Amino acid sequence: AQSVTQLDSQVPVFEEAPVELRCNYSSSVSVYLFWYVQYPNQGLQLLLKYLSGSTLVESINGFEAEFNKSQTSFHLRKPSVHISDTAEYFCAVSETSGTYKYIFGTGTRLKVLA
Amino acid sequence: DAGVIQSPRHEVTEMGQEVTLRCKPISGHNSLFWYRQTMMRGLELLIYFNNNVPIDDSGMPEDRFSAKMPNASFSTLKIQPSEPRDSAVYFCASSLMGGARDTQYFGPGTRLTVL
Repeated sequence: AQSVTQLDSQVPVFEEAPVELRCNYSSSVSVYLFWYVQYPNQGLQLLLKYLSGSTLVESINGFEAEFNKSQTSFHLRKPSVHISDTAEYFCAVSETSGTYKYIFGTGTRLKVLA
Repeated sequence: DAGVIQSPRHEVTEMGQEVTLRCKPISGHNSLFWYRQTMMRGLELLIYFNNNVPIDDSGMPEDRFSAKMPNASFSTLKIQPSEPRDSAVYFCASSLMGGARDTQYFGPGTRLTVL
């Protein structure tokens, strides 16, 4: 069975500092990997995803994540955060051979401090 | 595109009452998901529809919960009778084909409080 672990429930960081949000997964089969962001009082929205090809994927707002198969990780990074990045971030995984089902992590609350 | 639309955004009800949550998926999407989000359990998939047919309802907590999708543009999640432990944020999401690589588009959610 698949599982997703986000070790950090909360990450406080000062504005313009770098940040890394960690995500590890467990699966016996090949997977697709996703990061979703949830701003206060809103639904989740896709930030970026890894399907195949280059293991480094980027979002339009400066986040990037790297798929590391040997370490079964998909950590999210940003070199310089803004106040507006304050949100909850969810890592999710789905089986490449399966359909529809995402397994979500428990989320990491990023708090950017002025 | 208006995105996924959910109503109501907030619902406060008393224990024992019937609650109906509504969802309009993105036009052209053939897959619809209902999720529940709580602090204790995180984000849980309740039910998945494909082409208006329920495919997987294994996440529905118990018989008090039911979901329907009478057509491609509308779905409901009903709780009858409601209990305080049902208090949560309920999200509806849709995707183009329901495939493992498809992006799921979430609505803004319905915050349910059962007193």
